Amino acid sequence: AQSVAQPEDQVNVAEGNPLTVKCTYSVSGNPYLFWYVQYPNRGLQFLLKYITGDNLVKGSYGFEAEFNKSQTSFHLKKPSALVSDSALYFCAVRDREAAGNKLTFGGGTRVLVKP
Amino acid sequence: KAGVTQTPRYLIKTRGQQVTLSCSPISGHRSVSWYQQTPGQGLQFLFEYFSETQRNKGNFPGRFSGRQFSNSRSEMNVSTLELGDSALYLCASSLGLAGGTSTDTQYFGPGTRLTVL
Repeated sequence: AQSVAQPEDQVNVAEGNPLTVKCTYSVSGNPYLFWYVQYPNRGLQFLLKYITGDNLVKGSYGFEAEFNKSQTSFHLKKPSALVSDSALYFCAVRDREAAGNKLTFGGGTRVLVKP
Repeated sequence: KAGVTQTPRYLIKTRGQQVTLSCSPISGHRSVSWYQQTPGQGLQFLFEYFSETQRNKGNFPGRFSGRQFSNSRSEMNVSTLELGDSALYLCASSLGLAGGTSTDTQYFGPGTRLTVL
């Protein structure tokens, strides 16, 4: 079975400050890891993914995430947050050894960036 | 290239009715997955289709069904609607059936918001 935990329901940060959204995962095999963002009344927008190789993954809009196998974590980061980054962020995992495309999502973290 | 499109965007039904939602994947994408998003349960996987065949299924009752056509467009159907079926239904497409060594990314549509009264 695979699962994802996002321990913070909400993260508040001032504009210009670093932003971190936490994610830990559990899979029986090796993981593929994803971050998506959701704006109000919209679908999920792909930010970045970890497949293999370099543990630091760079994605869209200045976001990056670091894969840490020993801590089973995949935290999302942005060096300088913008008000427009305010949204709902989802971490997702897929077991590399499992057939199919099924993604298991965390509960989501709401990010509020204040001017 | 156009993104994933879903129709209708909003739907209001009453208990006991049935509903059909439609999803058109990104051109060239052959895999379509469906997810249900609710405030209480979050995002949950419904099923996945590839080459007109269901390849993967989540833990939902048989009232939830789907199909895929030869052009990769997909529909999902919910019969005998219940109040708890009120949700945002999201469709996602990817190039091909992922699993094993595939690294496909799923791209999501805007969703269909279903309200059951």
